[in-house]
Amino acid sequence: DTGVSQDPRHKITKRGQNVTFRCDPISEHNRLYWYRQTLGQGPEFLTYFQNEAQLEKSRLLSDRFSAERPKGSFSTLEIQRTEQGDSAMYLCASSPPPGLQDLRDTQYFGPGTRLTVL
Amino acid sequence: DAKTTQPNSMESNEEEPVHLPCNHSTISGTDYIHWYRQLPSQGPEYVIHGLTSNVNNRMASLAIAEDRKSSTLILHRATLRDAAVYYCILFTSGTYKYIFGTGTRLKVLA
Repeated sequence: DTGVSQDPRHKITKRGQNVTFRCDPISEHNRLYWYRQTLGQGPEFLTYFQNEAQLEKSRLLSDRFSAERPKGSFSTLEIQRTEQGDSAMYLCASSPPPGLQDLRDTQYFGPGTRLTVL
Repeated sequence: DAKTTQPNSMESNEEEPVHLPCNHSTISGTDYIHWYRQLPSQGPEYVIHGLTSNVNNRMASLAIAEDRKSSTLILHRATLRDAAVYYCILFTSGTYKYIFGTGTRLKVLA
């Protein structure tokens, strides 16, 4: 079990460019979450997948943001036409299906991708 | 959404116990109390969770008030590696998201 991995760990881009982040969850986890964290604040929920289905999206996820999980394994988060306000840490988390273990509602977080928009 | 209230910061001496409080007066019967911590430049890390009874694991203990409107995370012997932001979160089973507050920044003094 290598934990949740995210790539890249850091991304610097210019305003207006598109960026894509990848998240690889823990292998047996069918639930995947994206959060965004700005400096001094706790993480804010963005979206949730169960297998390949995107079941919930936050109002924070504007039309410029899109997330996919095509085969129910890894996920990508794309931001189009980045703005300086998009600068943040983007965190991915995963959790096991209900009944698999007592920690079924526990979310396991990756190290995050830090985005800086110049 | 259920909310929690935590002190912004706390300090502790190394090797001493630390009690991190959390108020959650709007908790409902199906809300679990989860604690996470976030070390610098890392994602949040699960610490412990509970529903009604006190809980112990290798990392910490969780003491839950009888009326469940507050809880306390107990680190029995703080080390320098415990310096982090600690988040108390109410999680409603059947929902999908954690709602983080700003947490308590714990400083451990050598």
